[in-house]
Amino acid sequence: KAGVTQTPRYLIKTRGQQVTLSCSPISGHRSVSWYQQTPGQGLQFLFEYFSETQRNKGNFPGRFSGRQFSNSRSEMNVSTLELGDSALYLCASSLEATGGNGYTFGSGTRLTVV
Amino acid sequence: AQSVTQLDSHVSVSEGTPVLLRCNYSSSYSPSLFWYVQHPNKGLQLLLKYTSAATLVKGINGFEAEFKKSETSFHLTKPSAHMSDAAEYFCVVSAYTGTASKLTFGTGTRLQVTL
Repeated sequence: KAGVTQTPRYLIKTRGQQVTLSCSPISGHRSVSWYQQTPGQGLQFLFEYFSETQRNKGNFPGRFSGRQFSNSRSEMNVSTLELGDSALYLCASSLEATGGNGYTFGSGTRLTVV
Repeated sequence: AQSVTQLDSHVSVSEGTPVLLRCNYSSSYSPSLFWYVQHPNKGLQLLLKYTSAATLVKGINGFEAEFKKSETSFHLTKPSAHMSDAAEYFCVVSAYTGTASKLTFGTGTRLQVTL
């Protein structure tokens, strides 16, 4: 079966612009989480959605937002981009609401802000 | 609250020798524990998971981990390293609060395998 698909794979944006990243989970998975990975901060939790509801949010400014659609696909939006937003953004999906059996990760979207 | 500490940021072993990557965790809830591997410019791949069944967990590619509640540890081992094992390894704790789930990652251990 298809894995978690993230688009686009690479993105270059200018400071002040906004960006939308997309994540299609494994078919049947209703839990989707987003993570930011940077060399300095490592992997940090952004938010988690289940059945179109944001259940949990990490410690990121309001410029970072997301949503989940009825087909479980999720989008993440970052407005007013800053240089520090350059990172690998990873999406993960899980079958269960608890996430107890683990998450499957996509290959990520590498965002570069110039 | 939950946290993960990976005790070594970098481990170097010779091919054919054992691998030990150390991880300690803390969690206010009954956690699930995972090890993920990340090869350069790739996403994260699940190696193995502990979900309150057997304390010795077998994963892919010959990796194992033992859950020790008294020591709050979940160390990753492999009897014999292969060159293809060179990658970054993340110990991860997952907790479900009843309303939300969240993964907390360790800072990663970079495994180098030499000839």
